[in-house]
Amino acid sequence: AQSVTQLGSHVSVSEGALVLLRCNYSSSVPPYLFWYVQYPNQGLQLLLKYTTGATLVKGINGFEAEFKKSETSFHLTKPSAHMSDAAEYFCAVGSNYKLTFGKGTLLTVNP
Amino acid sequence: DAGVIQSPRHEVTEMGQEVTLRCKPISGHNSLFWYRQTMMRGLELLIYFNNNVPIDDSGMPEDRFSAKMPNASFSTLKIQPSEPRDSAVYFCASRNRDRTGELFFGEGSRLTVL
Repeated sequence: AQSVTQLGSHVSVSEGALVLLRCNYSSSVPPYLFWYVQYPNQGLQLLLKYTTGATLVKGINGFEAEFKKSETSFHLTKPSAHMSDAAEYFCAVGSNYKLTFGKGTLLTVNP
Repeated sequence: DAGVIQSPRHEVTEMGQEVTLRCKPISGHNSLFWYRQTMMRGLELLIYFNNNVPIDDSGMPEDRFSAKMPNASFSTLKIQPSEPRDSAVYFCASRNRDRTGELFFGEGSRLTVL
């Protein structure tokens, strides 16, 4: 069984500020971890993923995430928020074929 | 390269009517997923096909829902009869053989049942 908890359904930051979106997972087998972004009226797009190897993963648009096995976490960060980052972000855990998504975090960026 | 194509993008229907949602996966992808997204429940996996065969349909809500994949380039999700609680955005996604690989999502079909 696997599950994902995203802490905070809504995060608001100022433009230029640090973005931190939290994700904790539960998995009975070594997980594959993903962050997806969803813009209004669109499907989900992959930001980054962790499978094996380096625990700090870099993605598109300046985002990165660090896999911490001891904390069962995979938090998403970006040093400086841009207005175009406003969207909903989903953390997901995969094993075998199945991908289980968290409930999502809506990121608002204030000018 | 075309992405995952879903139709219709929007569907408004009345309770009791049959609804058919369609999906064309990315060419060469052998896995296909149907997800449902609602505010209350988030993204839920309804059914997963591998090489056109349904592998896991444990997420299908009830017998009113059915899904088929007659060939590698087409899948349908049917709701008969539809109910207001079926209102949601339905996403189709496909993936290649790598089980750690990215899911590519369509733009979704927004269903409203009155």
